[in-house]
Amino acid sequence: GDSVTQMEGPVTLSEEAFLTINCTYTATGYPSLFWYVQYPGEGLQLLLKATKADDKGSNKGFEATYRKETTSFHLEKGSVQVSDSAVYFCALSDQGNNRLAFGKGNQVVVIP
Amino acid sequence: GAVVSQHPSWVICKSGTSVKIECRSLDFQATTMFWYRQFPKQSLMLMATSNEGSKATYEQGVEKDKFLINHASLTLSTLTVTSAHPEDSSFYICSARVRGWYGYTFGSGTRLTVV
Repeated sequence: GDSVTQMEGPVTLSEEAFLTINCTYTATGYPSLFWYVQYPGEGLQLLLKATKADDKGSNKGFEATYRKETTSFHLEKGSVQVSDSAVYFCALSDQGNNRLAFGKGNQVVVIP
Repeated sequence: GAVVSQHPSWVICKSGTSVKIECRSLDFQATTMFWYRQFPKQSLMLMATSNEGSKATYEQGVEKDKFLINHASLTLSTLTVTSAHPEDSSFYICSARVRGWYGYTFGSGTRLTVV
């Protein structure tokens, strides 16, 4: 079935550092890809999405490009802030099955 | 737009009692809603999918008699945890698929603690 793999472990970095969180996927169809962010004690908020190959999603300085050839959707931000500390989930949705498949999530901690 | 209001945000109940969690779509019609459970520092586990006016579809391993889902209208879905036990303590999140837009919006979650 469809699945999403995120890099293992939390990510700790200093303010203004460059952030990359890797995400790869397995899908039988042509999925849409998403990044969600979860702040402590809250639900998920959509950060960005891409619906077809080579699309780039962007929001709040974050970017991710839908790479069909490498089945990846890595999240990047050039200069993180303390307020970016949260858990980030990569997800995919195949139009055929009408549901989201989530990666395990990555805790990002930004130190002042 | 596309806001889902979930409440309560947290609840503490005694073992053996039932708890109802509500999710309302405020500015759109939610034909499909999803209920997730999240354990500390883990990803979301899909429990069930509910479609307005029909029975919910439960994921394998989820007890449908314990986790009752009702989606009686296009703006309201409820999850009732019946005869709750401490192992049911978790963070429950609802999500709605927005009609006419290929996307999903999430409620703010409910922290359930059973004592």
